[in-house]
Amino acid sequence: GNSVTQMEGPVTLSEEAFLTINCTYTATGYPSLFWYVQYPGEGLQLLLKATKADDKGSNKGFEATYRKETTSFHLEKGSVQVSDSAVYFCALFSGNTPLVFGKGTRLSVIA
Amino acid sequence: DAGVIQSPRHEVTEMGQEVTLRCKPISGHDYLFWYRQTMMRGLELLIYFNNNVPIDDSGMPEDRFSAKMPNASFSTLKIQPSEPRDSAVYFCASSWSTTPNRPQYFGPGTRLTVL
Repeated sequence: GNSVTQMEGPVTLSEEAFLTINCTYTATGYPSLFWYVQYPGEGLQLLLKATKADDKGSNKGFEATYRKETTSFHLEKGSVQVSDSAVYFCALFSGNTPLVFGKGTRLSVIA
Repeated sequence: DAGVIQSPRHEVTEMGQEVTLRCKPISGHDYLFWYRQTMMRGLELLIYFNNNVPIDDSGMPEDRFSAKMPNASFSTLKIQPSEPRDSAVYFCASSWSTTPNRPQYFGPGTRLTVL
């Protein structure tokens, strides 16, 4: 079946540090891949997506590239801010089933 | 556009009481999802509907949980009787089948505390 594995947190970084959150997937067919972000006290929000191999999704300084050869969709940001502190979820969509979410990675950015 | 609306935002009740959570999806969306989020288990899909019809309820934990969608603009998740282990944040989400890849749009959640 379809599944998503993301690195366990929490991840703690200083402001302006480089961020990578790893995500790998298992899926039949050709899935679409997503990153969602959940700020404290809120629901999940779509951050970015990629729908085919080698696509790069980007938003708010975050990027992720769909790598079919390594079945990965790692989230990166060059310089994190305190306001980026949140929980980040990797997810995939394939076939006719609902989104499959990873367990989430909590990021804390300290000034 | 209004997003997904959930009510109440917070609910505190005593063990054994009935709890009803409400959701209004984004207008025009034909899929609706109910999730539960806890520290221990993370985000769990409980049930989802397509065109008001339940498609998969395999995530509903017990018979104490039930969900309905009487029309395209309203859904309820009911817990009867409630237990302390039901304490969690419950999210509703909706999506469009005609949108490629069907990204889901989440409501703000209902934080349920069962004493």
